[in-house]
Amino acid sequence: AQSVAQPEDQVNVAEGNPLTVKCTYSVSGNPYLFWYVQYPNRGLQFLLKYITGDNLVKGSYGFEAEFNKSQTSFHLKKPSALVSDSALYFCAVRVSSGSARQLTFGSGTQLTVLP
Amino acid sequence: GAGVSQTPSNKVTEKGKYVELRCDPISGHTALYWYRQSLGQGPEFLIYFQGTGAADDSGLPNDRFFAVRPEGSVSTLKIQRTERGDSAVYLCASSPSASGYEQYFGPGTRLTVT
Repeated sequence: AQSVAQPEDQVNVAEGNPLTVKCTYSVSGNPYLFWYVQYPNRGLQFLLKYITGDNLVKGSYGFEAEFNKSQTSFHLKKPSALVSDSALYFCAVRVSSGSARQLTFGSGTQLTVLP
Repeated sequence: GAGVSQTPSNKVTEKGKYVELRCDPISGHTALYWYRQSLGQGPEFLIYFQGTGAADDSGLPNDRFFAVRPEGSVSTLKIQRTERGDSAVYLCASSPSASGYEQYFGPGTRLTVT
């Protein structure tokens, strides 16, 4: 079975400061990892993914995430937060082998960037 | 191009009724997924189609739930004898290949069972 933990329900950060949204995962085998963002009354939007290769992946809107296999983590980061980054963020995992394609999501972290 | 669309955006139904939720994937996407998102939780997988066939329906909670994709494009999620616990946002996603590296989500259908 695969699972994702987002230990923080809420993260507050001041505009211009760096932000981190935490994610740890559990999967049998090698993981594919994803971050999605959800704005009110809108669907999930893809931010970035880790499939293989460089542990630091860059995505949309200046976000990046670092895959750490030993700590089974995939934290989302941004060097300088914007008020417009305020949204609900989901980390997701799926196994890289076999026929399963479904994503398993964490419970989400509400990011609030304060002006 | 157009993204994934879902209709209706909102559906209110009475307990025991039958409902159908529709998903139009991005044109040319071969894989289609249904998820369910309850309040305060992340999406939970229901079923995955590759082409016309259901490649994995392990997430369907019981036999009241059924989904079809007869022509390999539009999909319909069908719920029989709805229960109040079925109330949630039902999300559809599509991806351009069987790899499913990136799944593109629609805005969802909010189902409320009274």
